[in-house]
Amino acid sequence: DTAVSQTPKYLVTQMGNDKSIKCEQNLGHDTMYWYKQDSKKFLKIMFSYNNKELIINETVPNRFSPKSPDKAHLNLHINSLELGDSAVYFCASSTPGQSETQYFGPGTRLLVL
Amino acid sequence: AQSVTQLGSHVSVSEGALVLLRCNYSSSVPPYLFWYVQYPNQGLQLLLKYTTGATLVKGINGFEAEFKKSETSFHLTKPSAHMSDAAEYFCALNTGGFKTIFGAGTRLFVKA
Repeated sequence: DTAVSQTPKYLVTQMGNDKSIKCEQNLGHDTMYWYKQDSKKFLKIMFSYNNKELIINETVPNRFSPKSPDKAHLNLHINSLELGDSAVYFCASSTPGQSETQYFGPGTRLLVL
Repeated sequence: AQSVTQLGSHVSVSEGALVLLRCNYSSSVPPYLFWYVQYPNQGLQLLLKYTTGATLVKGINGFEAEFKKSETSFHLTKPSAHMSDAAEYFCALNTGGFKTIFGAGTRLFVKA
C-alpha cells in the first residue's frame, strides 16, 4: 500500500507551459506539504495545508498555486513554467501532535526546457 | 529563529568503518529532532527521531543518534558502514508546529 503517492513521476515540458502535479495520501493525516528540492539537494518548504486550509505559504512566486480538494489530496499547479522551476517536488503529510514526523512521496522530477 | 546545520556536505567512509554525520541545531524552545534518509531517486524516509526522554535514540538499519542539549547537537552514528548506507542524510527540527526545518543534507559515500 502506497502511503503518499504523486503523479506524474517525471515531467518534461517547455518554458511557458502550465502543468499540475497531484498528491494523495492514505494515512489519514490532517496536514500536507509541498517541498522543492533543488539540484544541490536543498529541501525548501513551499506550502502546507491543514484540513484543507492553507497554513504555510513561503516566499513562492504566485505562478505556483496549491489546491486541496480534501484532506487526502494536495495538488500543485504551476503557470508559465520557467527554467528555474526545474527541480524535484515532494509531497509530504503528517499529523501535528504526533511528533511531527513527515511521510514523503516519491517525488516528481520536473525538467523545464 | 530555529536553524539546522549539517557539518560536511559529503562524508566518505570505507565499508565496515564507523559512520558519523554531524548535526547542530539552534532553537529557543525544546525541539523535536529527526534524521531522514534519501536513497537515489526516492523520497525521504524517517531514520529516527528524538522527542523527549532518553537522549540516545535508536533507529532503523543500525543507526542511532544522541541528543546533547549542552552542545546543541544531534549527531548520527552507525558502528559499521554497509554499501547500502550510501545515500543523502537530512537532519531536521520541529518545535511542535506545522513547519519542519531541514538541514542542507550530507551525502554519504561508502567505499568497498
